Amino acid sequence: AQKVTQAQTEISVVEKEDVTLDCVYETRDTTYYLFWYKQPPSGELVFLIRRNSFDEQNEISGRYSWNFQKSTSSFNFTITASQVVDSAVYFCALSAYFGNEKLTFGTGTRLTIIP
Amino acid sequence: DAGVIQSPRHEVTEMGQEVTLRCKPISGHNSLFWYRQTMMRGLELLIYFNNNVPIDDSGMPEDRFSAKMPNASFSTLKIQPSEPRDSAVYFCASRQGADTDTQYFGPGTRLTVL
Repeated sequence: AQKVTQAQTEISVVEKEDVTLDCVYETRDTTYYLFWYKQPPSGELVFLIRRNSFDEQNEISGRYSWNFQKSTSSFNFTITASQVVDSAVYFCALSAYFGNEKLTFGTGTRLTIIP
Repeated sequence: DAGVIQSPRHEVTEMGQEVTLRCKPISGHNSLFWYRQTMMRGLELLIYFNNNVPIDDSGMPEDRFSAKMPNASFSTLKIQPSEPRDSAVYFCASRQGADTDTQYFGPGTRLTVL
């Protein structure tokens, strides 16, 4: 069975601070994919990143960075110099590499950036 | 490029009525997924299709729910009869091909059953 845990239900930081959103996963698969999606107040789900289990390199995209550590089954997401537009609910998700199409989502972390 | 299109965006109906939600996947995508989001259960997969064929409907709550995909560019999720506990946001997502591709989500339909 697959499980994704986002222990932080809500986080508030002041604008320009850095913030890290935690994601811990459980899977019996040896190969799998991890994802982050953003859900802004408007409600849509926006894809941010996909990372396969073969690749443990950290990734940076502008102010966003992701730290994948297979040894601790974690895939954490850091926003540097946060902005008000970053306010949203962020979901971490997991899928098997083959044969199981479904995305298993965490419960989400609501991030509020205070101006 | 057009993303996943869902209609209606909002639906308010009375208990017992039939509700039909619609989805147009991204052109060229071969897989389509229906998810439901509620406060209590979060995001959960209801059903998905590969090449218009339903593959896994184990997430469909009960016989009141049905989904169809008559062609590659259109899918419906029907609830008949609707109940207040069906109130949720229903998302449609599509994926280009292989298991390893990313699912892209539509804007969702917010359903309220009174």
